[in-house]
Amino acid sequence: DTEVTQTPKHLVMGMTNKKSLKCEQHMGHRAMYWYKQKAKKPPELMFVYSYEKLSINESVPSRFSPECPNSSLLNLHLHALQPEDSALYLCASSQVPGDSIYEKLFFGSGTQLSVL
Amino acid sequence: AQKITQTQPGMFVQEKEAVTLDCTYDTSDPSYGLFWYKQPSSGEMIFLIYQGSYDQQNATEGRYSLNFQKARKSANLVISASQLGDSAMYFCAMREEVGSGSQGNLIFGKGTKLSVKP
Repeated sequence: DTEVTQTPKHLVMGMTNKKSLKCEQHMGHRAMYWYKQKAKKPPELMFVYSYEKLSINESVPSRFSPECPNSSLLNLHLHALQPEDSALYLCASSQVPGDSIYEKLFFGSGTQLSVL
Repeated sequence: AQKITQTQPGMFVQEKEAVTLDCTYDTSDPSYGLFWYKQPSSGEMIFLIYQGSYDQQNATEGRYSLNFQKARKSANLVISASQLGDSAMYFCAMREEVGSGSQGNLIFGKGTKLSVKP
């Protein structure tokens, strides 16, 4: 079983809805990540939080808003999404921020998001 | 240019046989790490094995081994004694050292879908 827990597993939302994805880890990791993965494609990095501060934003549209309330939790707030935003959203964590070539990421099972 | 290239979109292997999944990479940085992840249909990305650029020996983890050929810039994954549960998508990834244009992020290849036949 993964030690990174994501909820919900599936989410269907309309373009005018506001929803949030949640991610939790209790491994004491200090870096947390959001990835977006379209079908049959590799994951694409969206955001990185290091020590609860946003350190990387890969030019993600503002309709995606990340939040890191504490070192164990990571949220992704969604508002006014488009159908092309439908994808698997993966959360990951690592022990320290990615400044070591040895640092491996632990992933959750993802939230499968469908935007209608 | 792609940093990580996986040339096999799909592979089939008979149960109990060994299979090699190819991965080549492109970097001018002498310090980097190479990773393999498995993604079953459930969606979770599962870490399998790691190789550092300075590691002298090829990494092994149970049935997984990494055939690291630095001069050829290849890091192929070898799965011995394939099992039905090995059917999944496999991603090769690389992390470069922070600096010189790199943020130290994990860069993924496009993946190889492995199907194990009974």
